[in-house]
Amino acid sequence: GQNIDQPTEMTATEGAIVQINCTYQTSGFNGLFWYQQHAGEAPTFLSYNVLDGLEEKGRFSSFLSRSKGYSYLLLKELQMKDSASYLCAVRDGDYKLSFGAGTTVTVRA
Amino acid sequence: TAGITQAPTSQILAAGRSMTLRCTQDMRHNAMYWYRQDLGLGLRLIHYSNTAGTTGKGEVPDGYSVSRANTDDFPLTLASAVPSQTSVYFCASSPSGNNEQFFGPGTRLTVL
Repeated sequence: GQNIDQPTEMTATEGAIVQINCTYQTSGFNGLFWYQQHAGEAPTFLSYNVLDGLEEKGRFSSFLSRSKGYSYLLLKELQMKDSASYLCAVRDGDYKLSFGAGTTVTVRA
Repeated sequence: TAGITQAPTSQILAAGRSMTLRCTQDMRHNAMYWYRQDLGLGLRLIHYSNTAGTTGKGEVPDGYSVSRANTDDFPLTLASAVPSQTSVYFCASSPSGNNEQFFGPGTRLTVL
């Protein structure tokens, strides 16, 4: 099974940077995903890491350390529209995803 | 392109009744999934299908059944609904198990 932990809530100011941490314990590992979910909407794919290191995509970056069972999602130059839940998900050896409970980020003016 | 659609958008169901949640995708994805999302618990996998004609159990399969007669459709059936099945249900698809998943808009189900 999978055990995935991420903070429940974070608050930051518009224009700032926020880092959302995710730790996991898995039976088999085939990659880590980050999804964004606005209230009342479906999750949408943000990033994917399977090798150690940093993946950058515009204002969003994601980091993975497989040996530490650790990832983070970095959101830079925060905008009001970034207020959402951010879901960390680990893919196991059978290619199924297990999700953390999600981190709700609130961006304040 | 519609992508992935779900029906109904929301439903109130009496306990003991049966219900089928529909999911259709037009992206010719091989893999499809059903999740439920509950406050504080995140998304949990109910059932999945890696390709048409095959299905598998996820983390919380009890009380649910699925079928995958063709590539496009993946219905989820509750044979006899119970209040604990009140949740938001998301269907997802991916080209294969090795790709990111695309989610439908969800069905909000309330069982009374």
